[in-house]
Amino acid sequence: AQSVTQLGSHVSVSEGALVLLRCNYSSSVPPYLFWYVQYPNQGLQLLLKYTTGATLVKGINGFEAEFKKSETSFHLTKPSAHMSDAAEYFCAVSLITGGGNKLTFGTGTQLKVEL
Amino acid sequence: EAQVTQNPRYLITVTGKKLTVTCSQNMNHEYMSWYRQDPGLGLRQIYYSMNVEVTDKGDVPEGYKVSRKEKRNFPLILESPSPNQTSLYFCASSTTGGFSHEQYFGPGTRLTVT
Repeated sequence: AQSVTQLGSHVSVSEGALVLLRCNYSSSVPPYLFWYVQYPNQGLQLLLKYTTGATLVKGINGFEAEFKKSETSFHLTKPSAHMSDAAEYFCAVSLITGGGNKLTFGTGTQLKVEL
Repeated sequence: EAQVTQNPRYLITVTGKKLTVTCSQNMNHEYMSWYRQDPGLGLRQIYYSMNVEVTDKGDVPEGYKVSRKEKRNFPLILESPSPNQTSLYFCASSTTGGFSHEQYFGPGTRLTVT
C-alpha cells in the first residue's frame, strides 16, 4: 500500500528565508507525486507534479521539488519565502490501482511566514 | 471560467436529517471524486467516479452515497448524518482516471452535524 509522510505539521520561516517542506513516500512501484497548496478557506491548488522524466520539477510561485528515488523523497523548496506563501501544503501520491485517479495525501504542513 | 463548484459552502444540520452536497464541474471531465479533510488526517477519499457508468468506494465510504447521472454533476448524499461526519468536504475532478493527471478541487463544504 502506498503512503505519504510529511515531517512537521507546522513550519515557520522568516520572510526571505529558504522554505523546505519534507515529504517521503512508500511505494513498491514508481509513483506519481504531487504537491498541492491550500490557502485559507479555499480548495486545493496544484503546485507541481512529478510523473516521469526530469527529477527536478518546477512549479508555480517559485516552488520546486526534487524526486529522489533512493531516498523515497519529494521535498518542496522555495529559495525565498514571501508572506503570501503562508498556507497549508499537502504532498500526495498517485498509483495505479483499481481505484482510478486516487490520490493518497499526507497529513499536511502548515507554513507560517514571519516578518 | 473553468471550475468545480460546491453547494452549500457551509451547512449545520442535526443528526439523522438527510442532506445533499452538490458538486458540478464545467471542464467536461470524466473523473470526479469526493474527499473529506480532518485535522491531522489530511484528505481521505470517500467515493470516486471514473465516468457516468462507473462509481466506486474510496477509503471512507461508510455513511455516504453518491450519484453520477450526468458527466458534470456528482452529488454527495448523507442519508442519516451523524456527528462523526462533521468535516470539510471537497469535490474534485480530473480529465480522465489517469494517474498522472491533476485533480481540480472545489472550494469545500464545511459540514457540522449536531
